[in-house]
Formats: sequence, C-alpha cells, structure tokens
Amino acid sequence: QLVLTQSPSASASLGASVKLTCTLSSGHSSYAIAWHQQQPEKGPRYLMKVNSDGSHNKGDGIPDRFSGSSSGAERYLTISSLQSEDEADYYCQTWGTGIQVFGAGTKVTVL
Amino acid sequence: EVQLLESGGGLVQPGGSLRLSCAASGFTFSDNAMGWVRQAPGQGLEWVSTISADGGYTYNADSVKGRFTISRDNSRNTLYLQMNSLRADDTAVYYCAKEALTVGTSNLDYWGQGTRVTVSS
Repeated sequence: QLVLTQSPSASASLGASVKLTCTLSSGHSSYAIAWHQQQPEKGPRYLMKVNSDGSHNKGDGIPDRFSGSSSGAERYLTISSLQSEDEADYYCQTWGTGIQVFGAGTKVTVL
Repeated sequence: EVQLLESGGGLVQPGGSLRLSCAASGFTFSDNAMGWVRQAPGQGLEWVSTISADGGYTYNADSVKGRFTISRDNSRNTLYLQMNSLRADDTAVYYCAKEALTVGTSNLDYWGQGTRVTVSS
C-alpha cells in the first residue's frame, strides 16, 4: 500500500533552516513526490516535485530558499533563511494510476 | 496565470445532495487531468476524485465511491463534483486541483481557494 509518513511538527528560529522528511512506504522508494505548503486559513500551494534521484522542479514563483532532495525512500524539503510567512503546514503527495496520496502533514513553527 | 475557482458549497442536511463546480482558466483545460481534494476541519488533505483529461476515466477514493461523481465539460473549462447521500463526515473544504502533466497520472501543481461544505441537520 502506498503510504507517506511525515513528522507532525518541526520548528526553527527566524533566519535558520529546517529540513522536513517524507518517507515512502516499503516497495515504493522509486516514487517521486510533491511538496505543498498551506499557510493558515489558505488553500494549498504547490512548492515542488522531488524525484528519486534528488532532482526537483519548483512551482511558479517559489523562492530559492526552498529546495528538495532525496535519499532512498526519504524525500526532503529544506527551507533556508526561515521567514515568518514560512510558518505553515507542509504536505507531501505522491500518485499512482488514478490515485493521489497525501502525507498527514508537518506543522512548521518559526520561533 | 492559472486560476481555479470553486463554487457550489454550502450547508446541506444529511442524505442530501450538492454539486460543486470549478471554473478553470489560464491553461488548456482539456490537456490535463483534474481532481478534487478535501480537508475536514482541523485535519489534513484527503484525495477525493480524479478525472482524465478527456473525461474517459474517473477514479474515486473508497470513502466516496458510489456517492460522488466527478465530471468535466471541456467546452466550458469547468470541473464538477456531484455529491449525493451526504454524511456528516463529508463536511470539509473542497479544493479543485490540476495535475501537472498531460499524460498519465502526476502531481498536483495548481489549487483553487476551496469551497466549504457543511453537512448538518
């Protein structure tokens, strides 16, 4: 079964970096994933697609502070130079034939 | 600029029906699969339904199978979600979303602002 696992929360200080992890279920380590940001009281916003080789394709207007990488079944989102507006929920998403799967989300707090 | 604008949400009694619409612009609507994703209050994102670019294939989450029907009108650049036999646990904000690629299944790359559905007596 295709499942994505995320830690529920993460925090870092203003101006620091934070690295979020999304883990693919067993047997699915070659899958690409996408990261989406959801700020409070707003709809989700696509950030980037991260492939199994670590390459990534950002959405329109996504700042360079956001980057993606991979290692095995883990996919990462790193946010550098954290800003107050980065405080949000971050969801990873993957897909199979006709289905979309979301992780439970990671809440990022900027200290 | 890609825009997705949902409408049709509201308050409905258990067992009732509602039809959501999503008006798309800024891209060639008939090129991309589209989907609906919902978010219950205080919860995460849950995929609901997907429809292929030409409307020939549809897929639904187990939680809505037999009750919800996704459709599209490529001449009107509009996506629909017909929701029947609504239950309290269908209460959520419903988002329309576009898939990134024009073939196969892919990630979602644009989202609407959402429309709220409340199922309550």
